Amino acid sequence: EAEVAQSPRYKITEKSQAVAFWCDPISGHATLYWYRQILGQGPELLVQFQDESVVDDSQLPKDRFSAERLKGVDSTLKIQPAELGDSAMYLCASSLTAGRPYNEQFFGPGTRLTVL
Amino acid sequence: AQTVTQSQPEMSVQEAETVTLSCTYDTSESDYYLFWYKQPPSRQMILVIRQEAYKQQNATENRFSVNFQKAAKSFSLKISDSQLGDAAMYFCAYRGTGANSKLTFGKGITLSVRP
Repeated sequence: EAEVAQSPRYKITEKSQAVAFWCDPISGHATLYWYRQILGQGPELLVQFQDESVVDDSQLPKDRFSAERLKGVDSTLKIQPAELGDSAMYLCASSLTAGRPYNEQFFGPGTRLTVL
Repeated sequence: AQTVTQSQPEMSVQEAETVTLSCTYDTSESDYYLFWYKQPPSRQMILVIRQEAYKQQNATENRFSVNFQKAAKSFSLKISDSQLGDAAMYFCAYRGTGANSKLTFGKGITLSVRP
């Protein structure tokens, strides 16, 4: 069964360092999402791609976060510099497309980031 | 803006018993989707059940069913014949029907199953 792949699964870094997370969506899925999940909370959307284009990055802290999906397949989320408050689980999800009819979002296992 | 509220942080159920997880939401839209997601420890989030607001019939998926009360903006999940594998965090989520509508999640509830 196809799954969304993410790496690394765990990342520990010191504040002010740069970190990057990688996501490989299910083959054929045009829409890719990055979420941040703070411990004890539900996921919150950071950025949504349709193919290689960003369609929603309203909650992405653009002073330190960046995301790209250059060829419309895999994606990288970067934080530079990392801050203590960035400690969270970063989830990637993908779906065939957005809109109607509704296409289920499939989630990856996440990357747990700890900033010291 | 849409909001999703899960007011119970934790619940516990005896194996083989039935448990109901509560969720309320707020929206001004008339058509939307509601979901329950399961997030087991150290495993990926999976969709448990989906309800479309224009459908009056409550969705069911095997042991999982919902009680959708549109006027009350309530969307509860009932798990029948609870199993040890049901232990997880459960998130209620809302999504509009627009092409770029996003999933809005509640804070989640931790469900434990007692053997």
